[in-house]
Amino acid sequence: EDQVTQSPEALRLQEGESSSLNCSYTVSGLRGLFWYRQDPGKGPEFLFTLYSAGEEKEKERLKATLTKKESFLHITAPKPEDSATYLCAVQGNNQAGTALIFGKGTTLSVSS
Amino acid sequence: DTAVSQTPKYLVTQMGNDKSIKCEQNLGHDTMYWYKQDSKKFLKIMFSYNNKELIINETVPNRFSPKSPDKAHLNLHINSLELGDSAVYFCASRRTGGSYNSPLHFGNGTRLTVT
Repeated sequence: EDQVTQSPEALRLQEGESSSLNCSYTVSGLRGLFWYRQDPGKGPEFLFTLYSAGEEKEKERLKATLTKKESFLHITAPKPEDSATYLCAVQGNNQAGTALIFGKGTTLSVSS
Repeated sequence: DTAVSQTPKYLVTQMGNDKSIKCEQNLGHDTMYWYKQDSKKFLKIMFSYNNKELIINETVPNRFSPKSPDKAHLNLHINSLELGDSAVYFCASRRTGGSYNSPLHFGNGTRLTVT
């Protein structure tokens, strides 16, 4: 069964304190790994798609990387506006209906 | 210019009632979804709908039924509401097909409270 595990569940950082979020996955035939950001009261907002091991994507202070077993979302010098829940999801060959399977998310709080 | 819109944003109702949530997307996507997000923020797929093919998650009670009048709309009907149905329901859409799939685009959710 396809599975996504995110750690830590919650992370508190000081402004400027860099860190990484982890997404471990088990999937039959990875077709894509997706990172989303979710703010309170809003729907998840797409950040990145990674397709193969070794791939990296960057956007402002965020950088996503992918290996055959996990993905990392690196946050460099975070600001309070980066506070949100970050969700990881996978698309595998066995998922009927092309639905994404999500992890439980990491809630990031950045204080000034 | 909202891409995926859901109505209503909040829905408070009593046990046993029947209710509907509407979803519309203006992105020209061919596949739409309903996800349920519980109190711990876990997003779980309920339904996928593509070109009139419905894929149902086997854990979803048959009190829940999606209805799609056309490719841009996917509504969710819930009969005989129960306390455990309280959650945030998200509609999403994407373009599928080909070697790689595009990301899901989500609406802002409908918070359902059953009393």
